[in-house]
Order: sequence, then C-alpha cells, then structure tokens
Amino acid sequence: GQQLNQSPQSMFIQEGEDVSMNCTSSSIFNTWLWYKQEPGEGPVLLIALYKAGELTSNGRLTAQFGITRKDSFLNISASIPSDVGIYFCAGPHNNDMRFGAGTRLTVKP
Amino acid sequence: EAEVAQSPRYKITEKSQAVAFWCDPISGHATLYWYRQILGQGPELLVQFQDESVVDDSQLPKDRFSAERLKGVDSTLKIQPAELGDSAMYLCASSPQGYEQYFGPGTRLTVT
Repeated sequence: GQQLNQSPQSMFIQEGEDVSMNCTSSSIFNTWLWYKQEPGEGPVLLIALYKAGELTSNGRLTAQFGITRKDSFLNISASIPSDVGIYFCAGPHNNDMRFGAGTRLTVKP
Repeated sequence: EAEVAQSPRYKITEKSQAVAFWCDPISGHATLYWYRQILGQGPELLVQFQDESVVDDSQLPKDRFSAERLKGVDSTLKIQPAELGDSAMYLCASSPQGYEQYFGPGTRLTVT
C-alpha cells in the first residue's frame, strides 16, 4: 500500500526544547492528520489539515500541510515530559486511512 | 467527553482458539473502523463499516477473521482460529463524517 514515511524514527530531547518532525509520501494527499499515542492506549487526534499550505495550531503544537501536498510537518514548542509518546501522521488514500510508522519522542526532564 | 469503548483491554489466548473483541463507537458516529497495530508500526486498516454495511474489508484475512456491526452501532471482530502472528493491538475507531477518526484504548492480544 501507499507508504507514509516519517522522520526521524525517534527523538531524545531535553525538556523545554522545540521539536520538529515530518511525514512524506510519493503520492498527493488531500488531508493530513497527526495523532499521538501513549503506551497501551489508542491514538489521539491532535491536528487535522485539509488545505495545501495550511498552518494549524493546537496549543504548543503546530502542523503544516506542505504546498506540494506530499508532505506535512509537526512542531512542538517548549516540550514538557507529558509530550512523550509516538506521533503518527495519517492520510486517506483510496478511501483507506494510511498511517506512518511514527516518531517516538522521549523528553528528559 | 464521549469515547470509543473497547473490551477486553487485554486478552491472552492459545493458538487455534477463537477470540472476539467488542467495540462501542461514539454515539452518532456512522463510520466504524477496526485496525491492527503491530508493535513498532502504525495502525493498519482491517475493516470499515458505514452504519451496518461493510465499506472496505480488502485487508481483512477472511479465512480466519470476521467482523460484524449488525445494528449499525457496536461491532465485534472475531478471529478463529488464532495464530501466533495475530499477536498485536486491535484498535477500533469511529468517525462522524470526513476523515477525523477517534480511537478507543485498544485490545492487546497475545497468542501463545
């Protein structure tokens, strides 16, 4: 199936640092979604993007829909320990929702 | 705040046994999804329902997996017989419309 490539695979940062991660595809997507998953739980929707170039914020999180429609970016400002988790990008492709493999974030106090 | 409910949260079963998972979506959400998530990977769609009808089950291993949503509300996913490779997290999600999906806590299946 169509793959969404997320990078980096994992990040180890200090509390207070800003974080950037991205998601790319070889195909065009019309919607990008960003989810966060904590251990033993289901993914939680963070941000949904519907328009190329769109920049949307949710608290300290900001996500952008790339103008080529083949990528998206998620930034977290001033990270805190509870930001720990796996961040997934997702997008619909042929009516299937496809997920990336995730970026695992560790925040050191 | 409304949530997707799933049970059980954890299930350990022996291979060749039957196992079933239950999902109750957020009230009013017409679309329901079952995903399988292998450790270290993103969720992969197994089946999608619109009300009581299957919209997409192309990735469902139909020789051993079945899913139903008889009254268009809650849903059951069954595996019979379970195999070692079925060990994974099984996630249910629901959506009112569009692509924004809301996930339940999942069922962690271990097949021994």
